[in-house]
Amino acid sequence: EPEVTQTPSHQVTQMGQEVILRCVPISNHLYFYWYRQILGQKVEFLVSFYNNEISEKSEIFDDQFSVERPDGSNFTLKIRSTKLEDSAMYFCASSRDSPGDEQFFGPGTRLTVL
Amino acid sequence: AQSVTQPDIHITVSEGASLELRCNYSYGATPYLFWYVQSPGQGLQLLLKYFSGDTLVQGIKGFEAEFKRSQSSFNLRKPSVHWSDAAEYFCAVGEGSYIPTFGRGTSLIVHP
Repeated sequence: EPEVTQTPSHQVTQMGQEVILRCVPISNHLYFYWYRQILGQKVEFLVSFYNNEISEKSEIFDDQFSVERPDGSNFTLKIRSTKLEDSAMYFCASSRDSPGDEQFFGPGTRLTVL
Repeated sequence: AQSVTQPDIHITVSEGASLELRCNYSYGATPYLFWYVQSPGQGLQLLLKYFSGDTLVQGIKGFEAEFKRSQSSFNLRKPSVHWSDAAEYFCAVGEGSYIPTFGRGTSLIVHP
């Protein structure tokens, strides 16, 4: 069964460093998403991406964040200068033909900023 | 602004017992409603969703949920819980958008 994969499973970084979180969505899906979950808090939407551009983003997704689909399979989230409060679990998701289709989530990357 | 309330942080049930997880939302129009499950170390999996039509929605793994507009609720139910159902359950709401806003989650503990 196809699934969304994410690497690494755990990333530790120093404050101020740049990190890139990687996701491989399901191959025939067209919509891609990033969410985050700070420990003990809600899962929060960050951004959605379609046709090589951002289609929707939340207030959390400020200039420190960027997304890219560098090739036909990967979908990345970059945080330019990490802060302590960026420590969270980051989930990638994809859906097939429209945002109304089921979103399939990856297992997440736990980011720890020291 | 929309919000989702899951009033129960933890729910403990015995295996074979029935289950109801509560979810309330605040949104003026008819929202899009979702229930997700998250098992340890895994991503979220969609159990069911409601966009329109029949207010009783059947999902995977034997779950169902009922949209009650008068109570602004979308409670998740299962008639007989299995030990493998132990997980975190998230209710989510979309306000004119399919992008879900999640509740804080309810942790389900199943006793043998």
